[in-house]
Parts: sequence; C-alpha cells; structure tokens
Amino acid sequence: EVQLVQSGAEVKKPGESLKISCKASGYYFSNLCIGWARQVPGKGLEWMGFIYFGGSDTRYGPSFQGQVTISADKSTNTAYLQWSSLKASDTAMYYCYFAVYGDSWYDSWGQGTHVTVSS
Amino acid sequence: QSAPTQPASVSGSPGQSITISCSGTSSDVGYHNYVSWYQQHPGRAPKLIIREVTNRPSGVSDRFSGSRSGNTASLTISGLQAEDEADYYCNSYTTSNIYVFGTGTEVTVL
Repeated sequence: EVQLVQSGAEVKKPGESLKISCKASGYYFSNLCIGWARQVPGKGLEWMGFIYFGGSDTRYGPSFQGQVTISADKSTNTAYLQWSSLKASDTAMYYCYFAVYGDSWYDSWGQGTHVTVSS
Repeated sequence: QSAPTQPASVSGSPGQSITISCSGTSSDVGYHNYVSWYQQHPGRAPKLIIREVTNRPSGVSDRFSGSRSGNTASLTISGLQAEDEADYYCNSYTTSNIYVFGTGTEVTVL
C-alpha cells in the first residue's frame, strides 16, 4: 500500500511564499501520480491538480491555474505545492493523493497539511 | 467548470438504505466511466469507496454501491450503520482533461 506523508502545519502572513510537500513510499514505478485537493474549513473538497512523475504532464483546476505551482522531485518520490504570494483566502487544509497515471481514482491520501494565512 | 451538485445532507435510520446523487453534465459525470466516490469522517483524510462508477475497492464494505444514469451518478449505502456518518464526495473526469469534486453530502444516521 502506498503511504503519503505530508509536511507539517504552516502559519504565514499575506504576501509570503510557501512550499509544502508530500512524500510517497511503497510505490516505485514511473507511472506514479500525486495530486492535491483543498478543503477550506467547513467546506467541501476542491480538486487542485496533479503531477505525473513519469513525464511532463501537470494539470491544474481552473481556480488554481496561475495561483499555485505543483512540482516534483522524482529522486525522492516527493511532490510539492507552492505559492509565491499567499492570501488570507488560501487558509485551508491541503491533502495530497496518490493515483496511478491513467487511473481515475485516488487510492491513498496524505494526512493533510493545514495552512493558516493571517496578518 | 461548475462542481457536480450533491444534496447538502441526507439522513436515515440504522438499517435503512440511502442514496446520494451527483448531478453533472455530459462534460463531466456523463462523459466517461471515471466517476469515483470518497468518504470523509470529520478531521480525517478522504477514503476511496467506489471507483469507475460501480467498482468497489477491496476492503470496502459491500453495503456501498455505485451507479449512474445519464449525467447523474449515485452512491447507495445499504444497511446504514452509525459508522457511515460522514461526508461523501463524488469526483469526475471532465472533457477539459481535469477532474472535479462534487459539492459534497453530509450523511447523518438518526
């Protein structure tokens, strides 16, 4: 079973940058895909995007295109979610998920990283 | 890209069956067999319970079943139990080659 371990909670000020991580273990094939979902407190899940470790395929949901950057370190099976300038509205729980590239479901999830953006 | 619509809440008594709908369009829910369902208990990460419209992963109770008619997918929970009290989300592939979650449904066991 694939295990995903996310980096710890963050407290940031508006305008600051941030990069959170999600490390996968137990799966060492090139068709690894890691994606991200946002959950604002008390609200539903929002699909942010994913990155394919075996190629150059990175996709974003329309609300997140240009707002965040998803990247990966293939040597460590780690995906990243990055902001260059945080807003208060980025305050949320962020979950990463694992999928096999080409499959449409998310077998495993990380424990979540809570991001608070407040002045 | 609007999120597929789910009822905000559904409730049932123990032992009853309930059905949660996920209403979309021919560009998402009705486009492909790539519809999945996730269960999320408070404070926990989501868990996959149905993939590809009707398929249940190993280890998931057979009380959960999925179906689809046109642009609406459905999740049915049979023999409702207290542990089923959670939020449920559908997820669908779209013609834009991205995915979208439904609006989510809170299930209450009376």
